[in-house]
Amino acid sequence: SAVISQKPSRDICQRGTSLTIQCQVDSQVTMMFWYRQQPGQSLTLIATANQGSEATYESGFVIDKFPISRPNLTFSTLTVSNMSPEDSSIYLCSAGRAGETQYFGPGTRLLVL
Amino acid sequence: QQPVQSPQAVILREGEDAVINCSSSKALYSVHWYRQKHGEAPVFLMILLKGGEQKGHEKISASFNEKKQQSSLYLTASQLSYSGTYFCGTSRSNDYKLSFGAGTTVTVRA
Repeated sequence: SAVISQKPSRDICQRGTSLTIQCQVDSQVTMMFWYRQQPGQSLTLIATANQGSEATYESGFVIDKFPISRPNLTFSTLTVSNMSPEDSSIYLCSAGRAGETQYFGPGTRLLVL
Repeated sequence: QQPVQSPQAVILREGEDAVINCSSSKALYSVHWYRQKHGEAPVFLMILLKGGEQKGHEKISASFNEKKQQSSLYLTASQLSYSGTYFCGTSRSNDYKLSFGAGTTVTVRA
């Protein structure tokens, strides 16, 4: 299994600002993903973080709003840009190796005022 | 496309059994089961792959019917620690990009 940490664990931000969330894995992984989870709801895939190339976004999510970086096999960042109250959510990073499942980080709880 | 989970919620007494179902209208490559407790991250329980291979980390069993594109998670002799929301995540290829069901809330009472 992989142990995943995220920073920050929570934040309160003003609308119109941006927040960058960091995801660190304790070992090299093939796959890294970013999900969003509204309180009491299911998880929605935002994008696949690709090492050395641009992230692959799911329908409804765009790079200008959620730029993602993955400079190596153990680290990724997600930026939530030009935030509005609708962006208030829990953002989760997941990671895993080819042929295995994904393990989730503890999440970042974001509140936008 | 989001898989369909049922039931939405279930209440058990310790020692009772329950089955949670997950179905898809599309052909699946893998089904992943997670349990999430309030305020915590989802925890991996089981992965079922096309072709019948199963990998799990806990004493929870599951099945995957490839013909029907359905998976079931079996909670047997439930314990208080089994309480939480169970999610199935499905992928249609080995890229393991998961679509999650709406979740099943399990409450186990003493």
